[in-house]
Amino acid sequence: DTGVSQDPRHKITKRGQNVTFRCDPISEHNRLYWYRQTLGQGPEFLTYFQNEAQLEKSRLLSDRFSAERPKGSFSTLEIQRTEQGDSAMYLCASSLGVSGSPLHFGNGTRLTVT
Amino acid sequence: KNQVEQSPQSLIILEGKNCTLQCNYTVSPFSNLRWYKQDTGRGPVSLTIMTFSENTKSNGRYTATLDADTKQSSLHITASQLSDSASYICVVLVTDKLIFGTGTRLQVFP
Repeated sequence: DTGVSQDPRHKITKRGQNVTFRCDPISEHNRLYWYRQTLGQGPEFLTYFQNEAQLEKSRLLSDRFSAERPKGSFSTLEIQRTEQGDSAMYLCASSLGVSGSPLHFGNGTRLTVT
Repeated sequence: KNQVEQSPQSLIILEGKNCTLQCNYTVSPFSNLRWYKQDTGRGPVSLTIMTFSENTKSNGRYTATLDADTKQSSLHITASQLSDSASYICVVLVTDKLIFGTGTRLQVFP
């Protein structure tokens, strides 16, 4: 499978714990995006990378959230001191980075904070 | 107010019937408009991308239209199948930023 893969698919954690998600984009894609999606809503932009450079972060991304993309390949999204409001689907997408290129999404990591 | 609005919020149709989903946007400057299909528990999958100069584009039984003057787009599904049950999300690219609608939830019943 050469699509975008995300791991884990599901994560249940207790409030206050730290969690880390991984995304492996399509190999030739230089752009990588993280989105958050809650039930009945469209994806909300969190951050994106052009190769290894993090070019933009949403105001939604509080200081408890951090993302990295070392060497411009896979990416990780870490949430520290999780809160119940962090419960959502976290989607990763990659693209070739030109305006006409579609985003290719992974199937997401479903986070539940109890 | 959402800058990309979709209607209806949800829709139920019988298998084999046609349906049309609407998307109105207020954002500018417009670069392109995309429709995505999202199955429950999965990531969105691209259906079409249309630029300012395109007013219709098809992908199998899916046909998207765009009126850049009125800032409206529609997605028409022909001869619906049970597998069309999903959320359909309209997305507008503004400069370098994607603005997502909240989607239309379509259910196709036998």
